[in-house]
Amino acid sequence: EVQLVESGGGLVQPGGSLRLSCAASGFTFNTYWMTWVRQAPGKGLEWVANIKQDGGEKYYVDSVKGRFTISRDNAKNSLYLQMNSLRVEDTAVYYCARGLFGSFFYWGQGTLVTVSS
Amino acid sequence: QSALTQPPSASGSPGQSVTISCTGTSSDVGGYKYVSWYRQHPGKAPKLMIYEVSKRPSGVPDRFSGSKSGNTASLTVSGLQAEDEADYYCSAYAGSNMIFGGGTKLTVL
Repeated sequence: EVQLVESGGGLVQPGGSLRLSCAASGFTFNTYWMTWVRQAPGKGLEWVANIKQDGGEKYYVDSVKGRFTISRDNAKNSLYLQMNSLRVEDTAVYYCARGLFGSFFYWGQGTLVTVSS
Repeated sequence: QSALTQPPSASGSPGQSVTISCTGTSSDVGGYKYVSWYRQHPGKAPKLMIYEVSKRPSGVPDRFSGSKSGNTASLTVSGLQAEDEADYYCSAYAGSNMIFGGGTKLTVL
């Protein structure tokens, strides 16, 4: 059974940093693109970033470029999102998802990031 | 890039059919075959209902169908059931990134 379990969310002040993790199991992690998608409270979905199987290609939504870094550790079957210079507008539930081209067949349960003073 | 355009709400009675539209541009919806649709119940993660415009993942009933014409994609839900009441989001590949629609709240009357 495919499982994606996010962790690392919490309350952080504006300008602060947070590192999200996504533990994957039930599939061959190093053969899939992985993605982070977020959803602000009461709002719609927003693609954040994705990363190729070997980590050699990474793409980001414009609003997080230069602040967020997506990475993966295939030996640990884990996906990460390092978030720096956090802003109030980054407050959201962050989901990791498996897939590419928007065909995300599997999602985690999400982890809430709250940026507030 | 701007979000894809979806109607904020849609509704239908049990057993009826409802179609939700998703309008983009030639750089996203109209430019690639990678349009997906997701259903999201409150407090839950999204669930993939349609991918690559019209394909259904295993386990998704054939009451759900997708299509595309030009820069507009559509999701049709036939034989509405109570469990179909949820938020629906379209998404489209746009080169090196992805775009989601603003979401449509489907109410089963």
